[in-house]
Amino acid sequence: EVQLLESGGGLVQPGGSLRLSCAASGFTFSSYAMNWVRQAPGKGLEWVSVICDNGGSTYYADSVKGRFTISRDNSRNTLYLQMNSLRGEDTALYYCAKCRGGSCYSAPDSWGQGTLVTVSS
Amino acid sequence: DIVMTQSPDSLAVSLGERATINCKSSQSVLYSSNNKNYLGWYQQKPGQPPKLLIYWASTRESGVPDRFSASGSGTDFTLTISSLQAEDVAVYYCQQYYSTPITFGPGTRLEIK
Repeated sequence: EVQLLESGGGLVQPGGSLRLSCAASGFTFSSYAMNWVRQAPGKGLEWVSVICDNGGSTYYADSVKGRFTISRDNSRNTLYLQMNSLRGEDTALYYCAKCRGGSCYSAPDSWGQGTLVTVSS
Repeated sequence: DIVMTQSPDSLAVSLGERATINCKSSQSVLYSSNNKNYLGWYQQKPGQPPKLLIYWASTRESGVPDRFSASGSGTDFTLTISSLQAEDVAVYYCQQYYSTPITFGPGTRLEIK
């Protein structure tokens, strides 16, 4: 059974940093692309970033480009999201989501429960 | 960027009746080399993460009840629930994964009439 467990969320001041982690199990992590998707309170889904299976290709939403960095450690079955220069509009529940395949252009088919990031002074 | 729109914003349907949700992309998400539409549908119930229902625009994910079906190609897509059940109350999103940035529609809230 696929399991994705996000951690690292919390309260941070504007301009601060956080690193989110997503521990994966139940599948061959290195064979699948992985996403971060966020959802602000009461709002819809917003894609944040994707990393392809080998980690060689990464893509970002314009709203986070230059501030967030996605990475993966295939030896630890873990996905990361380094978030710098955080803003109030980054406040959201951040989901880790596994893609159906190794390509970055495949539908996310499994999602974690999310970790909440709150940016506020 | 590909902009995804959905209609209606919300929908109330009686139990056992058909529910239809539309999704439109600002440009085609059909990849000509493999003839696949890079379009997915997701269901999100309150307090839960999204669940993949449909990928490649019309392929039902394993375990999804067959009352859920989807169709469309290019820029226009439809999700249909043939006979609404109480457990289908949720927000439904379409998503294109044809190009980055990957984008979601704004969602359609489905309720029981």
